[in-house]
Amino acid sequence: AQSVTQLGSHVSVSEGALVLLRCNYSSSVPPYLFWYVQYPNQGLQLLLKYTSAATLVKGINGFEAEFKKSETSFHLTKPSAHMSDAAEYFCAVSAGWTGANNLFFGTGTRLTVIP
Amino acid sequence: GAVVSQHPSRVICKSGTSVKIECRSLDFQATTMFWYRQFPKQSLMLMATSNEGSKATYEQGVEKDKFLINHASLTLSTLTVTSAHPEDSSFYICSAKTGVDSPLHFGNGTRLTVT
Repeated sequence: AQSVTQLGSHVSVSEGALVLLRCNYSSSVPPYLFWYVQYPNQGLQLLLKYTSAATLVKGINGFEAEFKKSETSFHLTKPSAHMSDAAEYFCAVSAGWTGANNLFFGTGTRLTVIP
Repeated sequence: GAVVSQHPSRVICKSGTSVKIECRSLDFQATTMFWYRQFPKQSLMLMATSNEGSKATYEQGVEKDKFLINHASLTLSTLTVTSAHPEDSSFYICSAKTGVDSPLHFGNGTRLTVT
């Protein structure tokens, strides 16, 4: 079985500050991990994905995430927050790429960027 | 890029009535679409997998007679919440894949409020 836990339903950072959104996973098989972003009134967009290749994954808009098996974590980071980063972020896990339809999502973290 | 259109974005209905939500793949054919539900402060949960031309596959605990799914064409899947009750109030979101090994593309979601 797979599940993810996102620590912190709300995160606020100042513009220009580091963004860190936490995600820990649980999986009985090697996981595939995803971060999705949802801007207001829009659908979910894939930010980045880990599929057992490089442990440090770079995504769109300057975001990156590092897969740490020992910590069962896949935290999302961005060195410098922009106002446009304000959105809701979802971490998700699946049992495999072709099983990406069986995504298990976290409860989401709403990021607020303070000017 | 692949676009999934979901309609309506918001709907308010009275208890006992039925509501239909549409999910369309605008520029690709989707043999499989997926329906998720998110209750407040909870994860997105997969409800069912919709296959064109065949019966939908429902996840455990999801009532197939209450949540009717029709996937009559390669570009349209509908979810009908029958005899809606206040506890059905939730955020419903659909997604689709362009191919077996492709990522999911999500619609903008539908906020259902049952009064």
